[in-house]
Amino acid sequence: AQKVTQAQTEISVVEKEDVTLDCVYETRDTTYYLFWYKQPPSGELVFLIRRNSFDEQNEISGRYSWNFQKSTSSFNFTITASQVVDSAVYFCALILTSTGNQFYFGTGTSLTVIP
Amino acid sequence: GAVVSQHPSWVICKSGTSVKIECRSLDFQATTMFWYRQFPKQSLMLMATSNEGSKATYEQGVEKDKFLINHASLTLSTLTVTSAHPEDSSFYICSAWDQKANYGYTFGSGTRLTVV
Repeated sequence: AQKVTQAQTEISVVEKEDVTLDCVYETRDTTYYLFWYKQPPSGELVFLIRRNSFDEQNEISGRYSWNFQKSTSSFNFTITASQVVDSAVYFCALILTSTGNQFYFGTGTSLTVIP
Repeated sequence: GAVVSQHPSWVICKSGTSVKIECRSLDFQATTMFWYRQFPKQSLMLMATSNEGSKATYEQGVEKDKFLINHASLTLSTLTVTSAHPEDSSFYICSAWDQKANYGYTFGSGTRLTVV
């Protein structure tokens, strides 16, 4: 069975602090995609990154960075120098191409950045 | 990029009435669309997979007679919540696959349904 675990339910940080959101996934498939989405209070899902299972290269985009480690089945997300606008719920998700492109979402981490 | 338009963004209805939510792919054809439901402070759960021209596939525990899905064209899928009850109040969001998009999957902006 497929599963995505985000152990951190809520995190609060003071502005300008760095914060890492954890994501651990389970699957027996060898071909899959991992995603991170941001969900602000308005509800829409904002795409942040997609990573396929064959690409373990870490990625940096501005203040955002992602660490993908297949050995530990983790896909962690770090925000550097957090800002108030980063406050949102963040979801990690998994897609298996074998199951018709259905998303398996984690339970989300609610991040609050305090000014 | 690929855009999925979802309407309405919010709706309040009386208990016992039906509500239709539309999901349109604006600049691509979506043979498959997905419908998710999200209760407050919870994750998104897949309700059903909508396939153009055929019956939807529902996840276990989702009542197909209550949540009617129609995917009559390559750009439109609709979810109708029939005989809505307060427990159906939730955030409903659709997703479509566009093979030409950078990351393939596009979500609608969601519909917040409140049944009173």
